[in-house]
Amino acid sequence: GAVVSQHPSRVICKSGTSVKIECRSLDFQATTMFWYRQFPKQSLMLMATSNEGSKATYEQGVEKDKFLINHASLTLSTLTVTSAHPEDSSFYICSARFQGYGELFFGEGSRLTVL
Amino acid sequence: QKEVEQDPGPLSVPEGAIVSLNCTYSNSAFQYFMWYRQYSRKGPELLMYTYSSGNKEDGRFTAQVDKSSKYISLFIRDSQPSDSATYLCAAKFGNEKLTFGTGTRLTIIP
Repeated sequence: GAVVSQHPSRVICKSGTSVKIECRSLDFQATTMFWYRQFPKQSLMLMATSNEGSKATYEQGVEKDKFLINHASLTLSTLTVTSAHPEDSSFYICSARFQGYGELFFGEGSRLTVL
Repeated sequence: QKEVEQDPGPLSVPEGAIVSLNCTYSNSAFQYFMWYRQYSRKGPELLMYTYSSGNKEDGRFTAQVDKSSKYISLFIRDSQPSDSATYLCAAKFGNEKLTFGTGTRLTIIP
């Protein structure tokens, strides 16, 4: 299947700092990428839909100023958690859509720990 | 009511057994159905992708979709300890976002 790379896989930061997570589609162009958050033993919660060249669409209850999403190219989307707090600690996962209505492939996830 | 319902388990079966994982959904507009496998602390891995009703087989895995009853199934034959993971069903229509089930935690006992 198609490959989606996510970096970093783990990050620990101090409260109040900002953290950027990258999501890359390695062998295909992805006009649409998605960002999810997953709490322990729970399913994925969609945070936002990222479209190349336009503003992201955020799900209800997700603070757009807190979670900045940029999709500057067809192979890269970034999620920046601004002014991180301990409650932002979570597992963040991106996915990329392969061709039109096609399959969604997921990255390996990034575990954020805010001290 | 959630749009996609899935029994969270946990489900434990002996090695070599046939595993049956199931989901139901309420949105009749769903056209595309997927099964993902997620190991602990990893991103979901796409196992099966089907369009509309029918069966799809890939190695030891078979996905079934019955749109008349809004029922999605994944069967794993000759289960292996390496199949131990959380299995997520998902559905969508058109270009819309995926709707996930809660995931079923499966353990294959050697």
